[in-house]
Amino acid sequence: GESVGLHLPTLSVQEGDNSIINCAYSNSASDYFIWYKQESGKGPQFIIDIRSNMDKRQGQRVTVLLNKTVKHLSLQIAATQPGDSAVYFCAENMANGRGSTLGRLYFGRGTQLTVWP
Amino acid sequence: DAGITQSPRHKVTETGTPVTLRCHQTENHRYMYWYRQDPGHGLRLIHYSYGVKDTDKGEVSDGYSVSRSKTEDFLLTLESATSSQTSVYFCAISEPGVSSYEQYFGPGTRLTVT
Repeated sequence: GESVGLHLPTLSVQEGDNSIINCAYSNSASDYFIWYKQESGKGPQFIIDIRSNMDKRQGQRVTVLLNKTVKHLSLQIAATQPGDSAVYFCAENMANGRGSTLGRLYFGRGTQLTVWP
Repeated sequence: DAGITQSPRHKVTETGTPVTLRCHQTENHRYMYWYRQDPGHGLRLIHYSYGVKDTDKGEVSDGYSVSRSKTEDFLLTLESATSSQTSVYFCAISEPGVSSYEQYFGPGTRLTVT
């Protein structure tokens, strides 16, 4: 089964508010995590990533937090805008014990973010 | 945007017919992937390639085959399409490094099997 999941399938926020999208994972061997944004009718687009040796990483208006103790990942979007409305996916890359992952990513099912004016 | 194109972008076909989807990249990335996306399932890996003529199965490979004869092209073939293969198919490329396993996605192909 999927080791990457989401707490909520949908999230609605008002324009200007901060958004928090959560993701749980079960594989402690995962060493890399990534967030994608997918707009309707398009392919997923990279937002931000983080390695397991980090707890936090910031980008432009986005922050990813990693809590390895509880195997939890979150994406925070500051001052959410209507253009942020999309489906957000988290994904993990699991080491296979031999030091190689071949770059495979395992995706969660996604959270639909809707931003209201 | 990464130079990834998929063809066709839309296709309707009948059950039992063969179908080939093409992914073309201009980035010279070693790794290429085929995913399918269905409601409630996110993105699921079908097959991937880590070099010319080097391919391996993903988590939902039954009913699909792939070929990679050139770095830039990765073909996905449904030998005999079934209705359960109606989906949106995405190709992705990557060049895994020390710090990133980011994959770049194409625009997708919507396949309907009637």
